[in-house]
Amino acid sequence: ETGVTQTPRHLVMGMTNKKSLKCEQHLGHNAMYWYKQSAKKPLELMFVYSLEERVENNSVPSRFSPECPNSSHLFLHLHTLQPEDSALYLCASSQDLGGRVNTEAFFGQGTRLTVV
Amino acid sequence: AQSVTQLDSHVSVSEGTPVLLRCNYSSSYSPSLFWYVQHPNKGLQLLLKYTSAATLVKGINGFEAEFKKSETSFHLTKPSAHMSDAAEYFCVVSDISSSNTGKLIFGQGTTLQVKP
Repeated sequence: ETGVTQTPRHLVMGMTNKKSLKCEQHLGHNAMYWYKQSAKKPLELMFVYSLEERVENNSVPSRFSPECPNSSHLFLHLHTLQPEDSALYLCASSQDLGGRVNTEAFFGQGTRLTVV
Repeated sequence: AQSVTQLDSHVSVSEGTPVLLRCNYSSSYSPSLFWYVQHPNKGLQLLLKYTSAATLVKGINGFEAEFKKSETSFHLTKPSAHMSDAAEYFCVVSDISSSNTGKLIFGQGTTLQVKP
């Protein structure tokens, strides 16, 4: 148990559906991240939030929409996804942005998303 | 730009024999380096980290890694493999570029198989 909780663990959605992934941490961390893990590819950083402000958006399609209402919660809103978006979506948090302070990231167990 | 290369996509060892997972990095700065482990259908767990202190870093579950600047390497070792060590292992470098966005650069991963 890392202190980062993701729900749901598994999600199957159609291409016309709208769904949301939730991430929660009570570690007192200031930074939160969304990563995408596809088969046979390195982890891809999608979004970075620091103190509830988005600091990076790695050219992610607009069908993925992040939301960070407070420092403990992070959402990823999904709409009109494509089958190639099927992947494991991982949330992580760190005390601060790794560039400023050398801190590690704590990962949730991920949401396995299947788009049909 | 920083990057990390894991030299083996698959490593197979027998239980009780040593483990060596190889990682080379490229960095213009003094890097922070990490090893994470991912068991099937689970999130990533930090094994150990190097942040410019001792070059030999000890982690959990008997793993350790040595930072060698001259070789730009950060190989992960364990004296005696256990069946429960079978998992995916990721070498990670922290991007400490001027943007300070805390980006973790992941290697492609190495699958460790442990045979009885």
